[in-house]
Amino acid sequence: DADVTQTPRNRITKTGKRIMLECSQTKGHDRMYWYRQDPGLGLRLIYYSFDVKDINKGEISDGYSVSRQAQAKFSLSLESAIPNQTALYFCATSDLMDGSGSVCFGPGTRLTVL
Amino acid sequence: AQKITQTQPGMFVQEKEAVTLDCTYDTSDQSYGLFWYKQPSSGEMIFLIYQGSYDEQNATEGRYSLNFQKARKSANLVISASQLGDSAMYFCAMSTFYSGTYKYIFGTGTRLKVLA
Repeated sequence: DADVTQTPRNRITKTGKRIMLECSQTKGHDRMYWYRQDPGLGLRLIYYSFDVKDINKGEISDGYSVSRQAQAKFSLSLESAIPNQTALYFCATSDLMDGSGSVCFGPGTRLTVL
Repeated sequence: AQKITQTQPGMFVQEKEAVTLDCTYDTSDQSYGLFWYKQPSSGEMIFLIYQGSYDEQNATEGRYSLNFQKARKSANLVISASQLGDSAMYFCAMSTFYSGTYKYIFGTGTRLKVLA
C-alpha cells in the first residue's frame, strides 16, 4: 500500500462548487503539506501543518482552507471553486527527525474546474 | 529571498549519453538541503537524490549524481547512461529549516526527452 494516498485522483467540478481533497499517510510523519502544480510554475505551497493543532498558510492560500483531522489526515477544501484553480494537487509529508528533511509525495489529484 | 532557478525548460539527450540538468539556488541560510525529483507523465513525484549543505562530497544514487558547487550556489543533476525511461519532468528543490519545520521551494522544472 502507498505511504501517502490522495482521494479523489481525478475530479471535474463546476465553478462555485465546494470540493474537498483528502490526504492520508501511514508514514507516521508529523508534517503535512498541500502543493499545487501548474505548467511552467513548478510546485507552490498552499498550506502546511506541523501537527494536529498547527496550520500555516503557504504562498498561495487564498481561496483554500485545510483541516488536519488527525496526524495521518490532512484535507484541502475549495469553498467556491474557480477555473484558475484547475491544477494538479499534491499532498506531501515529512519527518522532522529525518535529517535530510526529504518530502514524501502522494500520487496527486488532478482537478478541473469548468 | 529564497529561490530555485532551473533555466532549461526542455532538454534532449541521446540514449546512453550523459546529461546535466542545471539548478541554481539562492538562500542566506547556512543549513539547507537540495533535492531532485522526477515526474514522469503519470504525474507522481519520485525522489531521486539529496545533498545537504554541509556534505563535502557530491551525492550519488545509481546513475544519478548531484554536482554541488556551494560557492556558485549550484546543484546540477547529472544522469549518466540515459535511458528511454528517464524521459520526464525534473524538479530541483531546496529545504530550509525555519520556525520548527522544513520549508520547501521548488524550481519550475526541466522536461527531459531521451531519444532512441
